[in-house]
Amino acid sequence: DVKVTQSSRYLVKRTGEKVFLECVQDMDHENMFWYRQDPGLGLRLIYFSYDVKMKEKGDIPEGYSVSREKKERFSLILESASTNQTSMYLCASSLMGLSYNEQFFGPGTRLTVL
Amino acid sequence: QKEVEQDPGPLSVPEGAIVSLNCTYSNSAFQYFMWYRQYSRKGPELLMYTYSSGNKEDGRFTAQVDKSSKYISLFIRDSQPSDSATYLCAKVKGDDKIIFGKGTRLHILP
Repeated sequence: DVKVTQSSRYLVKRTGEKVFLECVQDMDHENMFWYRQDPGLGLRLIYFSYDVKMKEKGDIPEGYSVSREKKERFSLILESASTNQTSMYLCASSLMGLSYNEQFFGPGTRLTVL
Repeated sequence: QKEVEQDPGPLSVPEGAIVSLNCTYSNSAFQYFMWYRQYSRKGPELLMYTYSSGNKEDGRFTAQVDKSSKYISLFIRDSQPSDSATYLCAKVKGDDKIIFGKGTRLHILP
């Protein structure tokens, strides 16, 4: 059974802290994605990666960075957390090159920045 | 104009009714469309995908694409309380990326 796991379901951090969100997939997928999901705004792509050590900016990369040192793991980093980064963060993975590109999502991390 | 537009709802219907969920899209460059379902406190999961125009049926669910009007629809027959979720339409953008609608919250009333 395909599986994407995220390190925490709920996280509370303070403004200015450095925050790491971890995502691991066991499907040998090339592509991995980080989204945030907010009421009224839907899913917005932050960063994605096609391969190890490769990363590309999505629609809202400001204030975030990512790291992909191993194929199965994709980390989202908030260098200095701010209250407007309070959100649900969803990681996803997919196989490269499929015509319909099904993305498999993790359960999400609800981050609150105080 | 956003590439995929979707009414956020909420939409409340009685159990057993036929549900119709709709999206509009711009840019006809890519022809794969998808519906994801997201239960509360869970990540989205693929429900159905369809290529280009026409219908695709899977059990109680039918996905429909109308290219001429740039309309994507999902019909749920004999709706059940377990169908209560947020439904996201999506369009394959290319480069292995997907553009999602904002999602419609659906409540099936027992």
